[in-house]
Amino acid sequence: QVQLVESGGGLVKPGGSLRLSCAASGFTFSDYYMSWIRQAPGKGLEWVSYISSSSSYTNYADSVKGRFTISRDNAKNSLYLQMNSLRAEDTAVYYCARDDSSGYHYWGQGTLVTVSS
Amino acid sequence: SSELTQDPAVSVALGQTVRITCQGDSLRSYYASWYQQKPGQAPVLVIYGKNNRPSGIPDRFSGSSSGNTASLTITGAQAEDEADYYCNSRDSSGNLVVFGGGTKLTVL
Repeated sequence: QVQLVESGGGLVKPGGSLRLSCAASGFTFSDYYMSWIRQAPGKGLEWVSYISSSSSYTNYADSVKGRFTISRDNAKNSLYLQMNSLRAEDTAVYYCARDDSSGYHYWGQGTLVTVSS
Repeated sequence: SSELTQDPAVSVALGQTVRITCQGDSLRSYYASWYQQKPGQAPVLVIYGKNNRPSGIPDRFSGSSSGNTASLTITGAQAEDEADYYCNSRDSSGNLVVFGGGTKLTVL
């Protein structure tokens, strides 16, 4: 069965960096676009970034452009999100999700990132 | 700010029908997908495309679209349907992804 497992969240100071990972299994990872979606405490869902199946195309929400970098390693069935210059407003649960173009059919359980001094 | 607009809260009596709407200019060109999220859980896709349900989603959930408005209808709402519901689509450029602000559904 399809599984997405995020890791790498934690407490980081403003201005700091963090790298999230998402381990995928149960499907042919290299066939799918993948996305990161976040949810601040008590708030709604916010799309963060997506990456094409071969890494040739990426896109970012304006709120993270220039600070976050999405990448993937198809050989390791893994998705990553490098987060730099973190701000308090980046505090959220970060989900990785499989982008089936028709919608996000599979989500991970999420990893919490807290940006605080 | 979200380019997809949802009512913040909607309520429905047990067993009755409720419609949750999502408005946005991009919906004239792109289908919305709909997600159910219960407290402490990851979102679950309930409707995608024109009106498709993933395996395991009850047939009381249906989707429709007209003009700039997409709708999620629950026919015969159950207590377990109480949750937050989010719509999702592309933005007007088609390059970015947007979510609606979410609708909290209360089943009375």
